[in-house]
Amino acid sequence: QQQVKQSPQSLIVQKGGISIINCAYENTAFDYFPWYQQFPGKGPALLIAIRPDVSEKKEGRFTISFNKSAKQFSLHIMDSQPGDSATYFCAARVNTGRRALTFGSGTRLQVQP
Amino acid sequence: GAVVSQHPSRVICKSGTSVKIECRSLDFQATTMFWYRQFPKQSLMLMATSNEGSKATYEQGVEKDKFLINHASLTLSTLTVTSAHPEDSSFYICSAEHREGGTQYFGPGTRLTVL
Repeated sequence: QQQVKQSPQSLIVQKGGISIINCAYENTAFDYFPWYQQFPGKGPALLIAIRPDVSEKKEGRFTISFNKSAKQFSLHIMDSQPGDSATYFCAARVNTGRRALTFGSGTRLQVQP
Repeated sequence: GAVVSQHPSRVICKSGTSVKIECRSLDFQATTMFWYRQFPKQSLMLMATSNEGSKATYEQGVEKDKFLINHASLTLSTLTVTSAHPEDSSFYICSAEHREGGTQYFGPGTRLTVL
C-alpha cells in the first residue's frame, strides 16, 4: 500500500496561532518523510524532512513530529503568518528501488491577519 | 541552495502539436529526475521516473508514446507531449534527486494549455 493520507483538507488559522497538519501511512518500508510548501502557480518547495529514527525535528517555526508505531507524522507551524498561506503536502519515500515520492492530498492553509 | 529550472513556464499550443518541456538541475547533478502532473487543487501525480542514459519508467496509465521522456545528462531531462489535446492541459512539474543525499528538489512548473 503506497497511500499517504493527509488531513485536514483545508485549515484556517489566526495570525500567531499554531497550524497543525497530519499525515498517516501504511507502507512500513517508507523511511523518508518530507513536507513541501506550494504557492499557486509554483512548484513545491521543500520545507523540512525527517527520517524514522527520530521523533521530532525542528527548523525555525516548522516542526515535524513522527510517531513510528502509529505510522503518523505531522507538521506544526508555530506563530503562523499570513505569508504561510499556501498548500502543504506531506510525502513519503522508500530508500530503495524507484525512490519516487508518494504525496498526500494536500492541505490548503489560510492564515488570517 | 539546489535549484531546478523548467522551460518554458507557460505554453499555449494548438491541438495536434507537440510540446517539449525542459527540466534542468542548475547547480547539482541529479541521479534521477521525476515528472509529475498536477490538476487544479489536486496533489501531484507521478508520471514517470527517468535516470540518465536509460529508458524512463512510466506509471500505470501514463502513455509512454504520448509523453516522451529523454534524460540526456545528469542535469537535463525533457518531457515531450506529442499530439497534444485539450485534456493534456495541466501543470507539469519536474523534480531532480540530488546525487549526494537524495533530496528531491522541484522545478517551478510548466503550465500547458492546449486549445
